Amino acid sequence: DVKVTQSSRYLVKRTGEKVFLECVQDMDHENMFWYRQDPGLGLRLIYFSYDVKMKEKGDIPEGYSVSREKKERFSLILESASTNQTSMYLCASSLLVGGRETQYFGPGTRLLVL
Amino acid sequence: AQTVTQSQPEMSVQEAETVTLSCTYDTSENNYYLFWYKQPPSRQMILVIRQEAYKQQNATENRFSVNFQKAAKSFSLKISDSQLGDTAMYFCAFANNNAGNMLTFGGGTRLMVKP
Repeated sequence: DVKVTQSSRYLVKRTGEKVFLECVQDMDHENMFWYRQDPGLGLRLIYFSYDVKMKEKGDIPEGYSVSREKKERFSLILESASTNQTSMYLCASSLLVGGRETQYFGPGTRLLVL
Repeated sequence: AQTVTQSQPEMSVQEAETVTLSCTYDTSENNYYLFWYKQPPSRQMILVIRQEAYKQQNATENRFSVNFQKAAKSFSLKISDSQLGDTAMYFCAFANNNAGNMLTFGGGTRLMVKP
């Protein structure tokens, strides 16, 4: 079974702090994604990566950056956390590029920014 | 850009009965895929079912089936013989085959199965 893990289930940070969310997948997947999930809005894509050291902006990249130094790890960085970044963050991975591919999700990190 | 709309924020169904969750989408593409993902309470999101737009036959997976109406841009999920374990958030999602593996999600429907 594919396993996608995220470094924290719950996180509380203060406004202005730098925040790192880590995601690791153990199935040698090429593609990795970061979403945020908000009630009524579903999941919105922040950034994705099709290869090591490669990144592409999603629908809502403002205020975020990412890093993919190793194939199995994809980090989401909030350079200066703000209260409007309080949300659930989901990481996902998939094996191949193509619309048909299943995405496998991590358990999520619920971030509260005070 | 694609949009996906789920018009039912919450639904409930009695155990063993059938329920249908609605989803509509908007796209100018012809080659795409549609998905239903399930997110149980405090558990990871998983794929329920997938439909290729070029296939006329509706996809089925055990108790889960879809009604795909391409002209109407509608993609509903039917759950038969509902079970307590079906209680979850359900998300409809769209993938354009020419845009890699990016998914566009609807807002979700929270389904409660009552004993």
